[in-house]
Amino acid sequence: DGGITQSPKYLFRKEGQNVTLSCEQNLNHDAMYWYRQDPGQGLRLIYYSQIVNDFQKGDIAEGYSVSREKKESFPLTVTSAQKNPTAFYLCASSIDRDRVSNQPQHFGDGTRLSIL
Amino acid sequence: GESVGLHLPTLSVQEGDNSIINCAYSNSASDYFIWYKQESGKGPQFIIDIRSNMDKRQGQRVTVLLNKTVKHLSLQIAATQPGDSAVYFCAEKRSRSDRGSTLGRLYFGRGTQLTVWP
Repeated sequence: DGGITQSPKYLFRKEGQNVTLSCEQNLNHDAMYWYRQDPGQGLRLIYYSQIVNDFQKGDIAEGYSVSREKKESFPLTVTSAQKNPTAFYLCASSIDRDRVSNQPQHFGDGTRLSIL
Repeated sequence: GESVGLHLPTLSVQEGDNSIINCAYSNSASDYFIWYKQESGKGPQFIIDIRSNMDKRQGQRVTVLLNKTVKHLSLQIAATQPGDSAVYFCAEKRSRSDRGSTLGRLYFGRGTQLTVWP
């Protein structure tokens, strides 16, 4: 089945540690996104990528980094510079071939990150 | 029952009743709108979308209404079932370029928690 797979489902970070969240999609989508969700809040955009080897900062990129070496994969690293990393992290993808197409984003089932 | 997504984040309805979840948007440049359903511990699931050249679109048990004059979007769920209990988000896509990028970014509302009682 086609879809978006995020792993792990739960992740714990120690102080001063970097952790990487995995996101893989087999939908052949060009664009991929990372969002952060806090309790009772809407989704906030961290980073997005329209094409391989290219990505852009979203609204809350500080303390995070990404890479897009393959079309299927868009890992997110939460660095020690992110002082409040506890949240639910969601990865999404969309077709976005021509940048003006109106297509929905499809989401994975998230990774919940907590601080030890 | 009705709710305004941004001002009344919870909605409780009886099983079998119709539900109406509302969402206000502020940007007149928004040209595409999506409703998502998010169950606890899961990612948002696409329900239905609508383009700005339409004012109504129907799916299975769901209808989305768009009123561009007052920048208002609503999701109607017919014969609400316990399995419909979830948080519902509206999202808007703005067509104009943003910070030099032409990517149609989605902007999400806070969401409305729908609870269906048997």
